[in-house]
Amino acid sequence: GAVVSQHPSWVICKSGTSVKIECRSLDFQATTMFWYRQFPKQSLMLMATSNEGSKATYEQGVEKDKFLINHASLTLSTLTVTSAHPEDSSFYICSARVSAGTDTQYFGPGTRLTVL
Amino acid sequence: GESVGLHLPTLSVQEGDNSIINCAYSNSASDYFIWYKQESGKGPQFIIDIRSNMDKRQGQRVTVLLNKTVKHLSLQIAATQPGDSAVYFCAEIPHSGGYQKVTFGIGTKLQVIP
Repeated sequence: GAVVSQHPSWVICKSGTSVKIECRSLDFQATTMFWYRQFPKQSLMLMATSNEGSKATYEQGVEKDKFLINHASLTLSTLTVTSAHPEDSSFYICSARVSAGTDTQYFGPGTRLTVL
Repeated sequence: GESVGLHLPTLSVQEGDNSIINCAYSNSASDYFIWYKQESGKGPQFIIDIRSNMDKRQGQRVTVLLNKTVKHLSLQIAATQPGDSAVYFCAEIPHSGGYQKVTFGIGTKLQVIP
């Protein structure tokens, strides 16, 4: 149980285009999902917290207009990188909390974004 | 600001030996800690967790020790296997009500020598 999937697993796009990444909880409902960014050989950095049916909470320094997050259902959150540039190239990982009464987060397999 | 950090960026261990990965944290308000394993190109995988009201917790081949006095966390892996090669992150979650923000340490790369 507690499986989280991401799609796509990798994507290459041209500079200036927008890319949407999906995060799904496959066998549970997730009221809260989290989006992280990870550069090579570095730790995960929280970008935003996504709550179903409400606006995402962004961490300091993360541009909300650049990284659009939508959590339309209890099993799906999406991250859209708008007008992507090479510096946005990174490994994007989502996680989901099983329920409000638990602290454990389960992570997706990540999405490798390369912007040319 | 307060952060979670690791002492050793890389640890090489002979197959079959025990591994110990250390982590120091500075947020005394944290009351929940998790160890994650991340293999190359994959997302973090939950290994084991511990709450601040405990000082030791055991899983299958893994043990987490918590020393709140010195704000130190360790992960012990018994009989290390090649499949244990990965980057290990400790993470802390402060007791903050409904908003559970995970802060990750910098990670330790474990290399298992066959």
